Amino acid sequence: GQNIDQPTEMTATEGAIVQINCTYQTSGFNGLFWYQQHAGEAPTFLSYNVLDGLEEKGRFSSFLSRSKGYSYLLLKELQMKDSASYLCAVRDPLGSGGYNKLIFGAGTRLAVHP
Amino acid sequence: EAGVAQSPRYKIIEKRQSVAFWCNPISGHATLYWYQQILGQGPKLLIQFQNNGVVDDSQLPKDRFSAERLKGVDSTLKIQPAKLEDSAVYLCASSLDREYEQYFGPGTRLTVT
Repeated sequence: GQNIDQPTEMTATEGAIVQINCTYQTSGFNGLFWYQQHAGEAPTFLSYNVLDGLEEKGRFSSFLSRSKGYSYLLLKELQMKDSASYLCAVRDPLGSGGYNKLIFGAGTRLAVHP
Repeated sequence: EAGVAQSPRYKIIEKRQSVAFWCNPISGHATLYWYQQILGQGPKLLIQFQNNGVVDDSQLPKDRFSAERLKGVDSTLKIQPAKLEDSAVYLCASSLDREYEQYFGPGTRLTVT
């Protein structure tokens, strides 16, 4: 079956570092995405990992271990505007019709406080 | 570059009524997706179009949901008749092709009473 697990909620302090974990079990794997979604808004793309290792992009970094079915999103120098939901999504190439399909986790709601 | 457009942004209907949502993807994007996002959950793919052809509708409740993408550009998603459990945000996304990053529209929040 398809299963993507993330913590439901996290809190952190402005200026700190937070790590949001994601574990997955899918029938196939062709990359992992992280999206940010502010309340009432559309998800926006943050990062993409297809090979093992760390991808860094400014204050955000994402790590992938395919053998462990594990990824994390690292947010540094937290700002109040980082308060949002963070969605982990796996691209499964074995979707219906053989096309890549994004399977989303339920998201982690991050609250940043002063 | 203009983003993915959706309308309406909000819709309230009674159960058993019909409703339609409209999506205009980013110009030149071949792949269009409709997702359902229930409160507290991640988006769930309902249907995926490649140009004007359906490539995945395995999770679309076909007894009440239908979608089309005429001329490979705009798309409409219809629910007829609506049930209480259809209350959700309906997100449209598009990508240059199916291998590429998806860009999401602002969504339509549907409330069925």
